[in-house]
Amino acid sequence: AQSVTQLGSHVSVSEGALVLLRCNYSSSVPPYLFWYVQYPNQGLQLLLKYTSAATLVKGINGFEAEFKKSETSFHLTKPSAHMSDAAEYFCAVHGSSNTGKLIFGQGTTLQVKP
Amino acid sequence: GAGVSQSPSNKVTEKGKDVELRCDPISGHTALYWYRQSLGQGLEFLIYFQGNSAPDKSGLPSDRFSAERTGGSVSTLTIQRTQQEDSAVYLCASSIPSGGAYEQYFGPGTRLTVT
Repeated sequence: AQSVTQLGSHVSVSEGALVLLRCNYSSSVPPYLFWYVQYPNQGLQLLLKYTSAATLVKGINGFEAEFKKSETSFHLTKPSAHMSDAAEYFCAVHGSSNTGKLIFGQGTTLQVKP
Repeated sequence: GAGVSQSPSNKVTEKGKDVELRCDPISGHTALYWYRQSLGQGLEFLIYFQGNSAPDKSGLPSDRFSAERTGGSVSTLTIQRTQQEDSAVYLCASSIPSGGAYEQYFGPGTRLTVT
């Protein structure tokens, strides 16, 4: 069965600093992996996805993630944090080849300090 | 174009009452999902509809929960005899399945509070 673990429920960085949000997955089949962002009182917005093409995936708002099969990881990074990046971030794995339901990690709240 | 819409945005109900939550997916999206987001459980899959196929109900937590999708478009999630533990944000998503890499588009959610 597929599962996702996000290390760190809260991450705090200074504006301009590197953002690193960690995600490890478990999957019995080649995974499809996603990062979503949720701003307060809003739904989830897709940042990027890995679909077995390039291992380094670039997304919106300057975010990128690297798929590392040997480490079963899909960490999200951004070179320089902006105040507007403060939000909750969810890593997800495609939970079923038949239905496409997503299995989500517990989420990481990113705080950006001025 | 228009995104996924959900109504109501907020719903307060008394314990034991029934509630209906509505989802309008993006036009042309054949797949529709319901998820529940709560403090204790995070984001959980509830149910999935794809075209005329039988829905995947494997995530529904009890038989008090049911959902239907009429005409391959609008979906309604019904919770009967609501309990306080049903309090959560209910999110709907839709997608066009393509090659298995399902990109889901989420609505803003309905916040349900059971008093």
